Amino acid sequence: AQTVTQSQPEMSVQEAETVTLSCTYDTSESDYYLFWYKQPPSRQMILVIRQEAYKQQNATENRFSVNFQKAAKSFSLKISDSQLGDAAMYFCACFGAAGNKLTFGGGTRVLVKP
Amino acid sequence: GAGVSQSPSNKVTEKGKDVELRCDPISGHTALYWYRQSLGQGLEFLIYFQGNSAPDKSGLPSDRFSAERTGGSVSTLTIQRTQQEDSAVYLCASSPQTGGAKNIQYFGAGTRLSVL
Repeated sequence: AQTVTQSQPEMSVQEAETVTLSCTYDTSESDYYLFWYKQPPSRQMILVIRQEAYKQQNATENRFSVNFQKAAKSFSLKISDSQLGDAAMYFCACFGAAGNKLTFGGGTRVLVKP
Repeated sequence: GAGVSQSPSNKVTEKGKDVELRCDPISGHTALYWYRQSLGQGLEFLIYFQGNSAPDKSGLPSDRFSAERTGGSVSTLTIQRTQQEDSAVYLCASSPQTGGAKNIQYFGAGTRLSVL
């Protein structure tokens, strides 16, 4: 069984500033992956970043980076130099290799102020 | 194709009617997933297909829901005798099972179902 919790329903950030989205998870699997997906109004879920749980090094993808704390079961996303196009819903998700499905958090809406 | 394609984009139906939602995955992806996104329940897993194996139907909410995947490619999600609580966005995703993108799910734009 897996659970994913996003405690921030909405976050606001000034353009060019940095925002951090929180995510905690719980899983009984030893082999799992963590993801952040972005969902703009177009509805299509877009992969932002992936972290393999067996890797200690935090994943980065251009302006996006994660802080993966395995012992604390925490997986936060940092968006640096925020742009207007970053405005969207962001979902944290956990994929267990045995369970073969994504479990999503409730989402965080990011607003970017010009 | 270049991405996961879902049709129709929007579907309005009357309570009690049957509906079929279609998903065309990325070519070569052996895994296919259906999820439901609703205001009250968030994003929920419905069903998973992997190659020729028996599907994992553990997320289907009732026996009114069924899905098939023909020839290991296109999938159809069928909802019989629709109810108002079935109103949601139905998302399809596909995933390769080998290579660097293994376990990454690529999503379509979804079908918004409205049951009147």
